[in-house]
Amino acid sequence: GAGVSQSPSNKVTEKGKDVELRCDPISGHTALYWYRQSLGQGLEFLIYFQGNSAPDKSGLPSDRFSAERTGGSVSTLTIQRTQQEDSAVYLCASSQDPTENTEAFFGQGTRLTVV
Amino acid sequence: AQTVTQSQPEMSVQEAETVTLSCTYDTSESDYYLFWYKQPPSRQMILVIRQEAYKQQNATENRFSVNFQKAAKSFSLKISDSQLGDAAMYFCACGADGLTFGKGTHLIIQP
Repeated sequence: GAGVSQSPSNKVTEKGKDVELRCDPISGHTALYWYRQSLGQGLEFLIYFQGNSAPDKSGLPSDRFSAERTGGSVSTLTIQRTQQEDSAVYLCASSQDPTENTEAFFGQGTRLTVV
Repeated sequence: AQTVTQSQPEMSVQEAETVTLSCTYDTSESDYYLFWYKQPPSRQMILVIRQEAYKQQNATENRFSVNFQKAAKSFSLKISDSQLGDAAMYFCACGADGLTFGKGTHLIIQP
């Protein structure tokens, strides 16, 4: 596709359930980011993948959160045993090469609601 | 690692007036770049303007311009002739190896 694609666009889940959020970056982009945005708030960094390097997981809020990036392309963010405070919009972005002056392109996000 | 601070949670401006959004940053990198992104209610993040740190000349994109003060680590965004469509959240970002965003400024345009 032409842009970053995230699925699902909306997800309602029960407290305690696991969820998987998917991100398809722009083809050829080596960098991929996950951010969390609570209602009306800023972007909270979660995790950053760059090529074949070990991901920067420093933003993951707890061990219930994990992410993978398979084949340097598609990424999945998994939240286990969801809590109500996990409710937020989860944004994915990709860029061609973060060491250059390149723009990060964002998906539309997944709005997660934990009930 | 870098940090980005936006000290104005909300700003309001009359249509057709000029408004300046503040941003300060800190980075240990010598080569980095700075961005302003806009997020309208549609939730889609849109790049407004970018600045290479090694360039002294301030970037300009139509009604949007920046005031880049490298020594002060300041990167403010000026919006001239504000329009109703400019209403959005504005995020400042700093990047060298990865992107760090500020918490955003909610811009309100008064008709």
